[in-house]
Amino acid sequence: QTVVTQEPSFSVSPGGTVTLTCGLSSGPVSSNYYPSWYQQTPGQAPRTLIYSTNTRSSGVPDRFSGSILGNKAALTITGAQADDESDYHCVLYMGSGIWVFGGGTKLTVL
Amino acid sequence: EVQLAESGGGLVQPGTSLRLSCAASGFTFSNYWMHWVRQAPGKGLVWVSRLNSDGINTAYADSVKGRFIISRDNAKNTLYLQMNSLRAEDTAVYYCARASYDYTDNYHYIDVWGKGTTVTVSS
Repeated sequence: QTVVTQEPSFSVSPGGTVTLTCGLSSGPVSSNYYPSWYQQTPGQAPRTLIYSTNTRSSGVPDRFSGSILGNKAALTITGAQADDESDYHCVLYMGSGIWVFGGGTKLTVL
Repeated sequence: EVQLAESGGGLVQPGTSLRLSCAASGFTFSNYWMHWVRQAPGKGLVWVSRLNSDGINTAYADSVKGRFIISRDNAKNTLYLQMNSLRAEDTAVYYCARASYDYTDNYHYIDVWGKGTTVTVSS
């Protein structure tokens, strides 16, 4: 069974930089998995941040960026703000029409 | 304004069926692939199913394959999820999501989400 891994929690200071990662139990993540990232605050629907590894969705500020770092997909937030405190979810495309989400990372800004 | 509005959730007993709907507005629904994604209380997002624009090509997560059926009515701008043989572990908020086409990577990515509808399976 394919498992997509994310850090359960992370913290960052206001104004700081944080990198969240998205890994795969079966091997390295590459751009061929078209990693996407979503932001979700409690009780709200997800919001698309990044798709196809590093393309920002419409209206997403450029302090959010996506990349491949080592064997994982990564979401970097530069100059973290208080309202960045959210859950962040990644998803990988496995082929044959199948997507798998990671467990999500709860980001605290303090 | 692009909008997706889910409905049809509720409290049902194990083993019964439920049909969710997702009404789309503000865009040409028939041009887009669509997904269902769910989220159990306090848990992460889980991809459930995907349907292409003409309603022919489907895909399902193993956990729902054989029990759930995704479909659409492009004339009514509506996506459906027929859920049969429901189990307690199907309890979740169910989101419908639109997938746009990325011409650079030849890939459909989720870009718009509905607000979700809650399904509770309990006796």
